Amino acid sequence: NAGVMQNPRHLVRRRGQEARLRCSPMKGHSHVYWYRQLPEEGLKFMVYLQKENIIDESGMPKERFSAEFPKEGPSILRIQQVVRGDSAAYFCASSPPATGRDEQYFGPGTRLTVT
Amino acid sequence: GNSVTQMEGPVTLSEEAFLTINCTYTATGYPSLFWYVQYPGEGLQLLLKATKADDKGSNKGFEATYRKETTSFHLEKGSVQVSDSAVYFCALRNSGYALNFGKGTSLLVTP
Repeated sequence: NAGVMQNPRHLVRRRGQEARLRCSPMKGHSHVYWYRQLPEEGLKFMVYLQKENIIDESGMPKERFSAEFPKEGPSILRIQQVVRGDSAAYFCASSPPATGRDEQYFGPGTRLTVT
Repeated sequence: GNSVTQMEGPVTLSEEAFLTINCTYTATGYPSLFWYVQYPGEGLQLLLKATKADDKGSNKGFEATYRKETTSFHLEKGSVQVSDSAVYFCALRNSGYALNFGKGTSLLVTP
């Protein structure tokens, strides 16, 4: 059973470009969470999604950031007009419906560098 | 609000030494507590958890006890191995969906 997949693993963008980060949850998981880890910081929650629904986006910056989890395909975290402060590691986690929120399984992360 | 504080790293130990990584938390109510481990180049893996006061989580020789009176969840292992070298994150989940993480403690075990 493959784990949570994230791609790309490393992404370099110039200021003002768009970044798209992809997350494929574990098989059978319908809940996806995105976290951001700034340098020298712990992971910070951004958003929680179920298929086709955003459940909690309380940790998402109000502008330039959006997330989706379509019926088919991976979850996407999109950052428009990136700035240097967006440079961070972005982790995706998934969980199955039965166990709910306690058991979150993490992907390897995407390291975004904005130049 | 909810927050987690864990000891600064890096921690360097010789193989077979005793390990303690301190973790304290601030939260209202009765959060669930977790330790995650991140090996180089990999995602975070759940190491152990405890969901109520006085519970002890254990896995792979690691243990942590949920101490409500001291708001702590310290990670311990009696005899570390080189393969335990990794970054360890303490985390809590309260009534919402989000896990709240500490900054992580890097552990290096030398032969």
